[in-house]
Amino acid sequence: AQTVTQSQPEMSVQEAETVTLSCTYDTSENNYYLFWYKQPPSRQMILVIRQEAYKQQNATENRFSVNFQKAAKSFSLKISDSQLGDTAMYFCAFMKGYNYGQNFVFGPGTRLSVLP
Amino acid sequence: NAGVTQTPKFQVLKTGQSMTLQCAQDMNHEYMSWYRQDPGMGLRLIHYSVGAGITDQGEVPNGYNVSRSTTEDFPLRLLSAAPSQTSVYFCASSYGQGASETQYFGPGTRLLVL
Repeated sequence: AQTVTQSQPEMSVQEAETVTLSCTYDTSENNYYLFWYKQPPSRQMILVIRQEAYKQQNATENRFSVNFQKAAKSFSLKISDSQLGDTAMYFCAFMKGYNYGQNFVFGPGTRLSVLP
Repeated sequence: NAGVTQTPKFQVLKTGQSMTLQCAQDMNHEYMSWYRQDPGMGLRLIHYSVGAGITDQGEVPNGYNVSRSTTEDFPLRLLSAAPSQTSVYFCASSYGQGASETQYFGPGTRLLVL
């Protein structure tokens, strides 16, 4: 079974600075996808970024980028130029191969606070 | 285009009561699922559906039933509520089954079972 670990329950960062959220996962699969989801106080789950395991290049979406280390099974999220609106819970998630449903596993989350 | 909608937003039940959490999407998505979110545990999959008439169990299906009679609707039924089912419930949908498809989440239903 796949597991996803986020070792930082809470983090804080000053506005305009950079912060990195950690995520590690355990799998014996070779083909899979990794995700970072954001959940602001409104509770809406919002996809931040997605990484295909077969791609060596790290995914980037504006101020959000990942550091994907496949051998180490590590998938960290870097937020540059942090903004107050980035305050939220951040969840790392894993999906095995092409399958839906049972193979979508979430980590416990990291609560990020951006301070003015 | 309302996306994924869930009703009610909040519900209080007594142990043993039954209720149905509603989920609807207007994006013509084939794939829908239900998750529960508990503190410190992230989201866990309860049930999912790959199309009308087809459902399957996820990680934590006990105590919940689902059906998918239409593409748009995917209700979650609690037949006899228990305090352990106190949680926040999220419905999600996507157009395709692959991980390349973005999952769209509803706003959640907060359930308290006394």
